[in-house]
Amino acid sequence: QVQLVESGGGVVQPGTSLRLSCAASGFTFSSYGMHWVRQAPGKGLEWVAYISYHGTNEYYAGSVKGRITISRDNLKNMLYLQMNSLRAEDTAVYYCAKRLYGSGSYSYMALDYWGQGTLVTVSS
Amino acid sequence: QSVLTQPPSASGTPGQGATISCSGSGSNIAVNSVNWYQQLPGTAPKLLIHTNNERPSGVPDRFSGSKSGTSASLAISGLQSEDEADYYCAAWDDSLNEMLFGGGTKLTVL
Repeated sequence: QVQLVESGGGVVQPGTSLRLSCAASGFTFSSYGMHWVRQAPGKGLEWVAYISYHGTNEYYAGSVKGRITISRDNLKNMLYLQMNSLRAEDTAVYYCAKRLYGSGSYSYMALDYWGQGTLVTVSS
Repeated sequence: QSVLTQPPSASGTPGQGATISCSGSGSNIAVNSVNWYQQLPGTAPKLLIHTNNERPSGVPDRFSGSKSGTSASLAISGLQSEDEADYYCAAWDDSLNEMLFGGGTKLTVL
């Protein structure tokens, strides 16, 4: 069965960096685009970033562009999120999620499996 | 403020129906498929409806989706207490090259 397990969250100070990881199993990881989505405490879902199945195409939310980098290692079945210059407003649970349709038109961007999330708290 | 607009709350009594709307624009809902997610308290979101009106395996047929122009709707019939959750619409935006989520609707089953 499909499993996505995030790790790397924690409490960090503003201005510092953090790398989140997502271990994928139960499907052919190298065939599917992947997303990061976050949720601030008590707030709604906010899309963060997307990477294509081959890692060639990346897209970012305007709120994180230039500070956050999504990457993947298809040999290790791992997805990453490198977060730099962290701010208090980056405090959230970060979910990795698998794209329903591995590739193709961005019109079809449903996320069919989600991890349990990892909490990032940015505070001094 | 989300680019996809949902009502913050909705409610209904057991057995009745409820509808949640999602309003977007010409660069997102009008030209791309809409997906709906259900988030039960303390859990990760779950895909409820994809490609406007398709139900993943295991989702009851009490849940249905529709889309017209720049708006989409999620309809729930025969409300049950376990349907109490937050519901989010989402769609890709061709102008922003971003995925957008609605602000979410909290459904209460009275």
